Amino acid sequence: GAGVSQSPRYKVAKRGQDVALRCDPISGHVSLFWYQQALGQGPEFLTYFQNEAQLDKSGLPSDRFFAERPEGSVSTLKIQRTQQEDSAVYLCASSFKGGNQPQHFGDGTRLSIL
Amino acid sequence: GIQVEQSPPDLILQEGANSTLRCNFSDSVNNLQWFHQNPWGQLINLFYIPSGTKQNGRLSATTVATERYSLLYISSSQTTDSGVYFCAVEGSGGYQKVTFGIGTKLQVIP
Repeated sequence: GAGVSQSPRYKVAKRGQDVALRCDPISGHVSLFWYQQALGQGPEFLTYFQNEAQLDKSGLPSDRFFAERPEGSVSTLKIQRTQQEDSAVYLCASSFKGGNQPQHFGDGTRLSIL
Repeated sequence: GIQVEQSPPDLILQEGANSTLRCNFSDSVNNLQWFHQNPWGQLINLFYIPSGTKQNGRLSATTVATERYSLLYISSSQTTDSGVYFCAVEGSGGYQKVTFGIGTKLQVIP
């Protein structure tokens, strides 16, 4: 497709379950970003990939959060042993290169932890 | 890290009115973007504007990098302009993570 694609669109999980969120960036985009957006807040940076290399994971809130992009295209954000505070919208963005390029966002995955 | 402040936090407009949204940032930037998040949660690119002025239809934006602010102008507002407007910046000096402001929530009423 022409834009950033994220799946699933909605995810409900019980506390303690593991979840995996997928991001398919725009074809040819080298850089990929994950953000977390809590209700009523702006998106907050989680992690950044350039191709398959994870260059910045300083925003990941705990070691329960793990992201990968093994072939430099599709990325997966995994959250282990989910907690209620993990409930948020998770947004993925891609850009042609790293800095100095506009980021294009997917529609997000709305995660609800019961 | 870089701080981003947006004002006003909330804005209610009558359809047809004009408005100006402001974004202040605490340090020099490589990149500044304005986004519109619609009521369905989709983040739409409006402008990529680290400096200068750009216009797109009823919207225009100006960034004065030396004074560390950016303005988004909405003219002849329509109900479809409702939503949250975010300013997002990337600090200068090589790669820096992008920092979003908390947004301006705009409601345009008929």
